[in-house]
Amino acid sequence: TQLLEQSPQFLSIQEGENLTVYCNSSSVFSSLQWYRQEPGEGPVLLVTVVTGGEVKKLKRLTFQFGDARKDSSLHITAAQPGDTGLYLCAGASGGGKLIFGQGTELSVKP
Amino acid sequence: GAVVSQHPSWVICKSGTSVKIECRSLDFQATTMFWYRQFPKQSLMLMATSNEGSKATYEQGVEKDKFLINHASLTLSTLTVTSAHPEDSSFYICSALSRGEGYGYTFGSGTRLTVV
Repeated sequence: TQLLEQSPQFLSIQEGENLTVYCNSSSVFSSLQWYRQEPGEGPVLLVTVVTGGEVKKLKRLTFQFGDARKDSSLHITAAQPGDTGLYLCAGASGGGKLIFGQGTELSVKP
Repeated sequence: GAVVSQHPSWVICKSGTSVKIECRSLDFQATTMFWYRQFPKQSLMLMATSNEGSKATYEQGVEKDKFLINHASLTLSTLTVTSAHPEDSSFYICSALSRGEGYGYTFGSGTRLTVV
């Protein structure tokens, strides 16, 4: 069974600070996706990384896919209260199943 | 972009009754849909994979007789929680996989089920 270990599970920081969320697995994934979810809503896709070593930027968010395609990270620069939410990494496995990490509950205080 | 409509967004039912949740892909055909369950402050746990025209594949530990999945068309999958109990209360989310142009997963907005 493919598993994704996401850390940290909870993060509370002050506005302006930087943070990194990690997503690790012992398995290789064909792609990894990062989502953000608001309470009571479905997850919204932020980015998909496909190539080992790939780095993608989305404004203040930087996503990296490990060379071996087993791990990924999300780095947020100068976090803002609007970044508060649940961040989820997910890997696509055989049969198209999307397996999620445990999630990171981020709280950015003004 | 691809849109998935999930209905109802919330439902309250009495213990012992059954509840049906619908998941529709509005502008694309989804041969594969997925059903997830999510508890507060936790991640999404895959319950089953639904393939159009065939039986659903359930993840280990998920009771197929309790969570009935039907995927009778390329745009509709349903999840029926049978004989619901309070412990079935949760947030249920569906996802549809688009294999054509714009390949990817699109999620519904979720259904909050409360069994009283």
